[in-house]
Amino acid sequence: SAVISQKPSRDICQRGTSLTIQCQVDSQVTMMFWYRQQPGQSLTLIATANQGSEATYESGFVIDKFPISRPNLTFSTLTVSNMSPEDSSIYLCSVVPGGDYGYTFGSGTRLTVV
Amino acid sequence: QKEVEQNSGPLSVPEGAIASLNCTYSDRGSQSFFWYRQYSGKSPELIMFIYSNGDKEDGRFTAQLNKASQYVSLLIRDSQPSDSATYLCAVIPGASGSARQLTFGSGTQLTVLP
Repeated sequence: SAVISQKPSRDICQRGTSLTIQCQVDSQVTMMFWYRQQPGQSLTLIATANQGSEATYESGFVIDKFPISRPNLTFSTLTVSNMSPEDSSIYLCSVVPGGDYGYTFGSGTRLTVV
Repeated sequence: QKEVEQNSGPLSVPEGAIASLNCTYSDRGSQSFFWYRQYSGKSPELIMFIYSNGDKEDGRFTAQLNKASQYVSLLIRDSQPSDSATYLCAVIPGASGSARQLTFGSGTQLTVLP
């Protein structure tokens, strides 16, 4: 399975600022997925990022708030913009290295907005 | 109706017992089903995936799929305290097309008592 390096692992940010989260994969993957896990909750898909095209956002998530870049097949970033305390969550990236065998997750970014 | 539902728990079993975790899904066209384990403060880790009706065994874990009844379950035999975690059921809905993103249930918290 793929190995994903995600950073930062955690951050405490002031409201109104932005944070960019990075995911680096050790192999080329077509699609990368960004999830949010709010405290005590399950995972909710934010968007799907394909290389060379605009990310596809799920209902309730918009590009202005969560801009995503996918410059190549091994790297993606998610920015959480104009943060508020409601954005305090764990953010995770995920990839499917090949077929349906093992969607792999990054280690997560624990974000606290104060 | 939620797309993927799990018995919310928490579930407690004594060490050595069988833990049974259940999940139902609403999209009859779903084809791929996954069980993830998530320790507190960690990212989800894939335990099992199953595509065909019936049972699939891997060590102490058995996944069971019944597409007619739209449920998937996970049995953990000889439960160990190290199995204490939140177990997430995940499904690729039939309508996801080529995107193949996972939809997660809310998770079941399992505690194995020594």
